[in-house]
Amino acid sequence: DVKVTQSSRYLVKRTGEKVFLECVQDMDHENMFWYRQDPGLGLRLIYFSYDVKMKEKGDIPEGYSVSREKKERFSLILESTSTNQTSMYLCASSPTSGSPGELFFGEGSRLTVL
Amino acid sequence: KQEVTQIPAALSVPEGENLVLNCSFTDSAIYNLQWFRQDPGKGLTSLLLIQSSQREQTSGRLNASLDKSSGRSTLYIAASQPGDSATYLCAVRQWGNTGKLIFGQGTTLQVKP
Repeated sequence: DVKVTQSSRYLVKRTGEKVFLECVQDMDHENMFWYRQDPGLGLRLIYFSYDVKMKEKGDIPEGYSVSREKKERFSLILESTSTNQTSMYLCASSPTSGSPGELFFGEGSRLTVL
Repeated sequence: KQEVTQIPAALSVPEGENLVLNCSFTDSAIYNLQWFRQDPGKGLTSLLLIQSSQREQTSGRLNASLDKSSGRSTLYIAASQPGDSATYLCAVRQWGNTGKLIFGQGTTLQVKP
């Protein structure tokens, strides 16, 4: 079974603190994604990566950055948190086109910014 | 721009009932469509994936169909159980976009004992 593991399930931070969310997948997938999920707004794509050291902005990249130094690991960085970044953060991975391309999610990281 | 809609937003049924969840999309040029389940406070679990060339997929009591020409997919759940209570989301993947999915808002299902 594909496993996508997110490093932290619950975090509480104060405004201005730095947050580092890590995601690791064990299926050698090329594509990795960070989404945030908010009530009434659904899932929104923050960033995605289709290869090591490659990244592309999603729909809401402002206030976030990412890092992909190894194929299995994709990190989301919030340099200076604000209260409007309180959300559920979901990491996902999928293989490239040419395959079924099924997307697999981690368990999520619930971030609260006070 | 692709838009994905799921109606209704919420559904409550008695245990044992067969039910259908709906998903519609505006652009028929999709690579695949995927149905997910999400329990409260958890991540998404993949249920079924239908490739653009397929019409349906089945897994246990679940059957998903795809009609690209009309921009519709349905998830059929047979003999519903209280354990089926969750939010169900559909998502479409377009051709050539490195795997990005566009999600619907989801249908929250409650199955009453």
